[in-house]
Amino acid sequence: RKEVEQDPGPFNVPEGATVAFNCTYSNSASQSFFWYRQDCRKEPKLLMSVYSSGNEDGRFTAQLNRASQYISLLIRDSKLSDSATYLCVVNARGTSYGKLTFGQGTILTVHP
Amino acid sequence: GAVVSQHPSWVICKSGTSVKIECRSLDFQATTMFWYRQFPKQSLMLMATSNEGSKATYEQGVEKDKFLINHASLTLSTLTVTSAHPEDSSFYICSARDRKVAGLDTQYFGPGTRLTVL
Repeated sequence: RKEVEQDPGPFNVPEGATVAFNCTYSNSASQSFFWYRQDCRKEPKLLMSVYSSGNEDGRFTAQLNRASQYISLLIRDSKLSDSATYLCVVNARGTSYGKLTFGQGTILTVHP
Repeated sequence: GAVVSQHPSWVICKSGTSVKIECRSLDFQATTMFWYRQFPKQSLMLMATSNEGSKATYEQGVEKDKFLINHASLTLSTLTVTSAHPEDSSFYICSARDRKVAGLDTQYFGPGTRLTVL
């Protein structure tokens, strides 16, 4: 089983749509959670951290369910510029202290 | 903000040659840098953790004699792909931690180096 699993998509949505991505992680010792976005042939860029209480940044909302080891990202009012690959990232403490584990990514294409 | 650079941004080489990739933290000091590899349509896979002044820690399955890592200063880590072969063609990305920022979660990524081995 992969440490971090995501639905690879692709998700093709029209502008203005709401889209949700899910992610599950296998290491119950995981302490920190993030969503990154990666544009084609570029490095990943941090989109937002994910907190236990859930957090929102403009059109983006992230949720964490530790009991289910599940993370989600909701994008409202999608823009063309949101087209990218969204990476679920987990940082496990202990023996993997400081090591980021990336999911395979979910591809989003927003069309006019 | 924290900036990490990589050089070169792309390189094409013949099979059997060695290629050195540099990762620099431009406006902060990094005690720890990470090297990742990304094959097409796959996610980033951590290759090794580079600690300034000590030996790198390699992930399982990564050959330390093939991927030489040197972290000689607080702002520079290098990855050398020795005797490169076509299967080493990939996107190599480094990240760096700012030693002044508490916690190990804050990593800044370089723009990546695209290696093509003919």
